[in-house]
Amino acid sequence: DGGITQSPKYLFRKEGQNVTLSCEQNLNHDAMYWYRQDPGQGLRLIYYSQIVNDFQKGDIAEGYSVSREKKESFPLTVTSAQKNPTAFYLCASSSSGRSSYNEQFFGPGTRLTVL
Amino acid sequence: SQKIEQNSEALNIQEGKTATLTCNYTNYSPAYLQWYRQDPGRGPVFLLLIRENEKEKRKERLKVTFDTTLKQSLFHITASQPADSAIYLCALSNSGYALNFGKGTSLLVTP
Repeated sequence: DGGITQSPKYLFRKEGQNVTLSCEQNLNHDAMYWYRQDPGQGLRLIYYSQIVNDFQKGDIAEGYSVSREKKESFPLTVTSAQKNPTAFYLCASSSSGRSSYNEQFFGPGTRLTVL
Repeated sequence: SQKIEQNSEALNIQEGKTATLTCNYTNYSPAYLQWYRQDPGRGPVFLLLIRENEKEKRKERLKVTFDTTLKQSLFHITASQPADSAIYLCALSNSGYALNFGKGTSLLVTP
């Protein structure tokens, strides 16, 4: 059963702590993406990776970090430097990096709340 | 600056009618435009992709148009059903490597 999994579904963090969100895909996709969604807002791109061991900053990368050591995995770390981390985080993948003509497959999301 | 604008107000229609959603963009020259559906608390699901040289594309009850002169895409759902109630997002890209999404339009179909 192919798809993208994100864990955990809900995450609570104390202010000042780093936290890592997991994203795994078994679709054999080259490209992976992280988005943030705030209430009533569209998706904003945090980071994306077109290939293993390579990634690029999106529009709102400050306070976040990623790694892409394996094709299947693209974890996102929300650092204490992120001023307003409470949001819904979505991971996606596509078959190639030219995403504009390849559909993106999204995971179920992780809702992060900073207490 | 680059903008993707979708109807900010929710669209309420009666079951059986055609829903029409609008996506306007500025300072993009996209070769492709995509539409996604998002249910509350879930990830978006891809619906349709239309290329700049395609005026119209259909998939079952869905129809998308793409007018690069007007810089606009229209998304139609014919014979709408309550199960079509969701948020609909348009997305496009200049670079081809990362999509930019609009804020979405909420559609509510009532019986």
